[in-house]
Amino acid sequence: GEQVEQLPSILRVQEGSSASINCSYEDSASNYFPWYKQEPGENPKLIIDIRSNMERKQIQELIVLLDKKAKRFSLHITDTQPGDSAMYFCAASEENYGNEKITFGAGTKLTIKP
Amino acid sequence: DPKIIQKPKYLVAVTGSEKILICEQYLGHNAMYWYRQSAKKPLEFMFSYSYQKLMDNQTASSRFQPQSSKKNHLDLQITALKPDDSATYFCASSQEANSQNTLYFGAGTRLSVL
Repeated sequence: GEQVEQLPSILRVQEGSSASINCSYEDSASNYFPWYKQEPGENPKLIIDIRSNMERKQIQELIVLLDKKAKRFSLHITDTQPGDSAMYFCAASEENYGNEKITFGAGTKLTIKP
Repeated sequence: DPKIIQKPKYLVAVTGSEKILICEQYLGHNAMYWYRQSAKKPLEFMFSYSYQKLMDNQTASSRFQPQSSKKNHLDLQITALKPDDSATYFCASSQEANSQNTLYFGAGTRLSVL
């Protein structure tokens, strides 16, 4: 099955600076890459995703990049704010109707320092 | 107003006992899932159901049995509980069992096995 590696596991950045989280995957058939944010005591929520027909996607301060050849994708948060402090999970999946399984990375604990 | 209801929010059980984790979704989704989150393995896929049929089972132990009495219900029965079963169990749903549909997570049931 798919394996997703996520680094770093812990990330601390100064408020206002950028934060980057990197993920890699093994299965070249994976074609969908969502990112989930989980605040303490809360459930994970989708914040942005990218499909394999794209290399870059931006929603406000969130930017995701996808390098299919290298099997890597990344999340970049620009102008970080205290509300960005949370756990972030990358994930990868292959479209396979009727047998969905999204594989998550181990997570990155992001802390924004004031 | 939560659309995916998990009960109970917290659960304490003794080793060897049996518990049922309840999940109901009111999003009109056709696919439901169970994920487990612990310090050892964050967001680990367990089961996927589509139209009340089991699609994928990545749980090695038969002690974990999903039960779907209605299309919007997917309960999780755990028998012969062990301390290693201590984790937060998240129920999730998506419109269809297509890995490119957004996953919506419930608030989770935090299980502690003593």
